[in-house]
Amino acid sequence: GAGVSQSPSNKVTEKGKDVELRCDPISGHTALYWYRQSLGQGLEFLIYFQGNSAPDKSGLPSDRFSAERTGGSVSTLTIQRTQQEDSAVYLCASSSNTDTQYFGPGTRLTVL
Amino acid sequence: QKEVEQNSGPLSVPEGAIASLNCTYSDRGSQSFFWYRQYSGKSPELIMSIYSNGDKEDGRFTAQLNKASQYVSLLIRDSQPSDSATYLCAAEVGGTGRRALTFGSGTRLQVQP
Repeated sequence: GAGVSQSPSNKVTEKGKDVELRCDPISGHTALYWYRQSLGQGLEFLIYFQGNSAPDKSGLPSDRFSAERTGGSVSTLTIQRTQQEDSAVYLCASSSNTDTQYFGPGTRLTVL
Repeated sequence: QKEVEQNSGPLSVPEGAIASLNCTYSDRGSQSFFWYRQYSGKSPELIMSIYSNGDKEDGRFTAQLNKASQYVSLLIRDSQPSDSATYLCAAEVGGTGRRALTFGSGTRLQVQP
């Protein structure tokens, strides 16, 4: 079946612009996670959605970052007034009731 | 102190040898641990999960967990050049119900033909 999909695969933007990154989880997966990975680094947790519960936003690095998940499926991560330090690969993962998280291919964000 | 720590490597082993990858974690409440493999430019893929003390084997891979020492390891037997990748250790940190993972920075493994 289809895995986690993300779009766009690459995004180049200018400092100060807003960007939206999209994640389509595996059908039926109730949990959705956003992480980011800077060059040569491990993954940094950003935000976690589980069903209809309030999201865990504890990993968001600043109030410029926000995310929503509509209808319990697709999620959008929005970064406002992008900064150069926001450049990274943004990874989305989803899981069912098990612990296994399946990752999408990521969106490579470059802020000039 | 990072919550999940790994030696960044690179760890270089000859083809056919055993590769041993290690990871320590700081949260004694962590119950679930994972090893992901990440090829350059690709997203992580799950190799092993482990929840109980002891060993868990799956093919050429063995995960080992020692909660008293807060230590997780991954052994790869009969290493192949295709195993060359970065291996990420991850733990559920922050108590039950918080399913997001905390990752180490990864160990780069190089298997020499």
